Amino acid sequence: QSALTQPRSVSGSPGQSVTISCTGTSSDVGGYNYVSWYQQHPGKAPKLMIYDVSKRPSGVPDRFSGSKSGNTASLTISGLQAEDEADYYCCSYAGSNTGVFGGGTKLTVL
Amino acid sequence: QVTLRESGPAVVKPTQTVTLTCSFSGFSLSTSGMCVSWIRQPPGKALEWLVRIDWDDDKYYSTSLKTRLTISKDTSKNQVVLTMTDMDPVDTATYYCARTSVRATYYFDFWGQGTLVTVSS
Repeated sequence: QSALTQPRSVSGSPGQSVTISCTGTSSDVGGYNYVSWYQQHPGKAPKLMIYDVSKRPSGVPDRFSGSKSGNTASLTISGLQAEDEADYYCCSYAGSNTGVFGGGTKLTVL
Repeated sequence: QVTLRESGPAVVKPTQTVTLTCSFSGFSLSTSGMCVSWIRQPPGKALEWLVRIDWDDDKYYSTSLKTRLTISKDTSKNQVVLTMTDMDPVDTATYYCARTSVRATYYFDFWGQGTLVTVSS
C-alpha cells in the first residue's frame, strides 16, 4: 500500500483555524468511512483524535473536527492553541484487513 | 484503564531476528472484537502499520513485510509477541503496539509508549 499524502507542514496563529488534508485513492480513503487522525507530540506516542472520518473520542476537544470528500479526508482545528503544535497523521482502512498511514503533517502555532 | 507497554532489545545486529513483546492490561484478547496491532516509526519519519492479531487468532500482515514478520498472542499472560527476521539498518525505528478496533470501523485507540530498536553492527 502507498502512504496517504499529507502536506509536510501547516501553520496558524492562536485562535485561527487550520485544515490538514489527507489524500488517498478509491481503495482506501475514498472506499471506506474509516479514516482516523492521530496527534503526536515530540517523543510521545500518537493519540487518537478522530475516527470514522468525523467522530471524536471522549476527552478530545470539539475544536477538532474531521470530514471527507471523495479520496481526500481533512482534519480541521479551530481556535488554535499553543498545545496543538504537534505532528498529525491520518490513517485509513485499505481493505483486506490492512491499514495505511499518511506521511504526517507538522503543525506550527505561530 | 487500558495500558500497553512494549519491550525488547534496544540494539540488534544486521541479519539478526528481533523479538518484541507487548504487555497490556485493561482488556482481554480473548474477548470478541479485541485486536492488537504493531506500528513502527523510523526516526523523524512517518508511522507504518505492520501487522494485527485478533481475538480469534486471525492474523493480518503488511504486504511489504509479510515474509519477515510473525505475530502471536498469549492470552493468559495478556501479551502479544512480534518477531521480525533479517533485520537491516532501515528497520531502525520505534515500534509501537496499539489496541485496534475493527468492528465496522478501523482505528487505534490506545498505544504503548514505544520501544526504540536500533539495527547496527
